Amino acid sequence: GAGVSQSPRYKVAKRGQDVALRCDPISGHVSLFWYQQALGQGPEFLTYFQNEAQLDKSGLPSDRFFAERPEGSVSTLKIQRTQQEDSAVYLCASSVLETGELFFGEGSRLTVL
Amino acid sequence: QKEVEQNSGPLSVPEGAIASLNCTYSDRGSQSFFWYRQYSGKSPELIMFIYSNGDKEDGRFTAQLNKASQYVSLLIRDSQPSDSATYLCAVNRQGSSNTGKLIFGQGTTLQVKP
Repeated sequence: GAGVSQSPRYKVAKRGQDVALRCDPISGHVSLFWYQQALGQGPEFLTYFQNEAQLDKSGLPSDRFFAERPEGSVSTLKIQRTQQEDSAVYLCASSVLETGELFFGEGSRLTVL
Repeated sequence: QKEVEQNSGPLSVPEGAIASLNCTYSDRGSQSFFWYRQYSGKSPELIMFIYSNGDKEDGRFTAQLNKASQYVSLLIRDSQPSDSATYLCAVNRQGSSNTGKLIFGQGTTLQVKP
């Protein structure tokens, strides 16, 4: 695709529900990242994939957060038993290996009630 | 102390003026520095990156890096109302094989008034 595509753009969940956020990176981009952006803050790193391998998950805030990229293209970020503090915009980004230039998707805004 | 610090602003400048955005970082070993622009409700987009001490110019934008002072800045010449956005400074840590694992500041909101 022309850019990084994320869905859903908006998600409202009741506390305790599970959610799944999808990211379709730019075709051919090996690296894929998930960031979390709270209101008024800069993005915070969650996890990184190189192809299908999850090489860094140090930013995942708890074991309720899980990400996968089974075929090295589309990725899913899953949040189990959502809490109010999980409310944020979840940004997916892809890049060509080694450049450090991230191409962000439009984000998925999660609101937990 | 946050790893990357920016004044949240808002920074207000008149159209045509120079806007100066500043950023400091705490990890002296940081190697790569990025400026992203984020319009309200939109995703961040890369404006510039800089790796070496000194200035780097691209059109109306100039990035300045001073590693000794652990300071990065972005100058926007001839500011336009369309430049009104939040500007995010981001840093890549020393020795990180994950070149996309960036540490972002909270961003500075720039308002360019006609």
